[in-house]
Amino acid sequence: DTGVSQNPRHKITKRGQNVTFRCDPISEHNRLYWYRQTLGQGPEFLTYFQNEAQLEKSRLLSDRFSAERPKGSFSTLEIQRTEQGDSAMYLCASSIPSRAETQYFGPGTRLLVL
Amino acid sequence: SQQGEEDPQALSIQEGENATMNCSYKTSINNLQWYRQNSGRGLVHLILIRSNEREKHSGRLRVTLDTSKKSSSLLITASRAADTASYFCATVPNNAGNMLTFGGGTRLMVKP
Repeated sequence: DTGVSQNPRHKITKRGQNVTFRCDPISEHNRLYWYRQTLGQGPEFLTYFQNEAQLEKSRLLSDRFSAERPKGSFSTLEIQRTEQGDSAMYLCASSIPSRAETQYFGPGTRLLVL
Repeated sequence: SQQGEEDPQALSIQEGENATMNCSYKTSINNLQWYRQNSGRGLVHLILIRSNEREKHSGRLRVTLDTSKKSSSLLITASRAADTASYFCATVPNNAGNMLTFGGGTRLMVKP
């Protein structure tokens, strides 16, 4: 069990650029979640996959955000035309059906938009 | 928007003392969970309490849940410097799938 991994761990970009983050869940975890956390706040739910199907999306997930999980394994989160307000920690979590209530979080990708 | 509010927002204690954090939430829930986050890192699941449970223990952790008051508390006994972290409560509202809704967190500092 290697845990949830996320890449990159840090990303600095200029406003208007596109960025893509990757999340590799724990093997055999069929559920995958993305959250966003700003400084001093708790994480906020963005979206959720069961296998390759995206089942829930938060209102926070604007048109500039897109998430995919094409083969039901790793997932990518892309932000197009980044804005300074996108600066945050992006957290990925995964869970298994028999213990879906417990989510295992990755270390996060910290994004800074200049 | 966040479901819960933690109280206090920050807590500083000496090693060996007990730390109590409270969480209030707004809607009916399936369960409530507590997570720990060390500075700048991911969250670690600590304990889960279901809506039909009132108290649960895990090692030095004790969690209570009062659904009539929509509140929970986390007690860490005999605290250690390594307990220094932010603690978040998270709820799974009824009919909300598995989406976790977090509070704003309590930042705990345990001084050696």
